Amino acid sequence: GAGVSQTPSNKVTEKGKYVELRCDPISGHTALYWYRQSLGQGPEFLIYFQGTGAADDSGLPNDRFFAVRPEGSVSTLKIQRTERGDSAMYLCASSPTLTGELFFGEGSRLTVL
Amino acid sequence: GENVEQHPSTLSVQEGDSAVIKCTYSDSASNYFPWYKQELGKGPQLIIDIRSNVGEKKDQRIAVTLNKTAKHFSLHITETQPEDSAVYFCAATNAGGTSYGKLTFGQGTILTVHP
Repeated sequence: GAGVSQTPSNKVTEKGKYVELRCDPISGHTALYWYRQSLGQGPEFLIYFQGTGAADDSGLPNDRFFAVRPEGSVSTLKIQRTERGDSAMYLCASSPTLTGELFFGEGSRLTVL
Repeated sequence: GENVEQHPSTLSVQEGDSAVIKCTYSDSASNYFPWYKQELGKGPQLIIDIRSNVGEKKDQRIAVTLNKTAKHFSLHITETQPEDSAVYFCAATNAGGTSYGKLTFGQGTILTVHP
């Protein structure tokens, strides 16, 4: 596709459940980022990948959050034992290089009831 | 870590007027300052950026200025149009040879341009 694709666009789950959010970056982009955006706030950095490896995961809030990018393309953000405070828009972005422009997807809105 | 403050939180202007949004940052090592526009239901889109070795950059109706001494930077939109209505975010990062994509964002400014 032409842009960054994120699925699902909306996810409603119950407290305590496990959730996976998928990001399909622009073809050929080596850098991939995850951000979380709460309502009325700016995005907050979670983690980024250069290729297959997580280069910096310092923004992950706790060990319930984990992300992978096994083949250096698609990435999955995994949230275990979801809490109501995890409700937010999760944004993925990709870039052709580490110094290039970020291209954001439209996000996955997670609601934890 | 870096902290970015953005003002105002809302800005309402008449079509054709100018709009100015201001940001301050805390980390003097920050060296890359992008601005993003986010429309309802969409992800942020880069509209202009500036690096710390430049004081001003302009692209058509949009300009950004950077004052490293005072640690603040501003977005200027001239001849505003209704389609400029959106949420605008400033951001900063100290790439430090790693990544320009690990950004600290401001809280956002809701810009409304009235026809």
